[in-house]
Amino acid sequence: QVQLVQSGAEVRKAGASVKVSCKASGYTFTSSGINWMRQAPGQGLEWMGWISGYNGNTNYAQNLQGRVTMTTDTSTSTAYMELRSLRSDDTAVYYCARDQVPYYFDSWGQGTLVTVSS
Amino acid sequence: QTVVTQEPSFSVSPGGTVTLTCGLNSGSVSTSFYPSWYQQTPGQAPRTLIYSTNTRSSGVPDRFSGSILGNKAALTITGAQADDESDYYCVMYVGSGIWVFGGGTKLTVL
Repeated sequence: QVQLVQSGAEVRKAGASVKVSCKASGYTFTSSGINWMRQAPGQGLEWMGWISGYNGNTNYAQNLQGRVTMTTDTSTSTAYMELRSLRSDDTAVYYCARDQVPYYFDSWGQGTLVTVSS
Repeated sequence: QTVVTQEPSFSVSPGGTVTLTCGLNSGSVSTSFYPSWYQQTPGQAPRTLIYSTNTRSSGVPDRFSGSILGNKAALTITGAQADDESDYYCVMYVGSGIWVFGGGTKLTVL
């Protein structure tokens, strides 16, 4: 079955960077894209961006352009999300999710808590 | 900037029927936005309920259904159960590889 397993919780100082991984199994990694979402404490879900598992093409949410980079390593079926210049309002649980045709998320990682301290 | 709107909260009695809606600030929702719905309980990752307006994800009971009602997407729960008490999020695909989440609806079953 499809599984997305994310890396563990991280604590960073404001201004630092964090890189979260999402290891996929149970399907052909290059056949689907991976999306990243985040959820601040007590808040709703926010779509951050998408990366193609096939060719690494990306789309990022406008409010994160310039601070976020999504990459993949097809040799290990792993997607990565790096967020730079961290601020306290980046404190959130970060999720990866596989997208499927037509345009929905069918499998989710377990989430990774990123805490940014000032 | 596309904004997806949902009711912040809703309540339903056990066994009752509730319809949550999902709108767009830019106009009417159509199937071209491929609305999907996700259920989330505290501390858990979201679970996919409905995609492409009205297709149930694998394993989702048929008391969950999706539709277009007027100018909005809708999620209807028929015969609500206690464990349906969750947050519900709709998502719209707005094209060019971009998705937008609604703010979520907190459903209380009481």
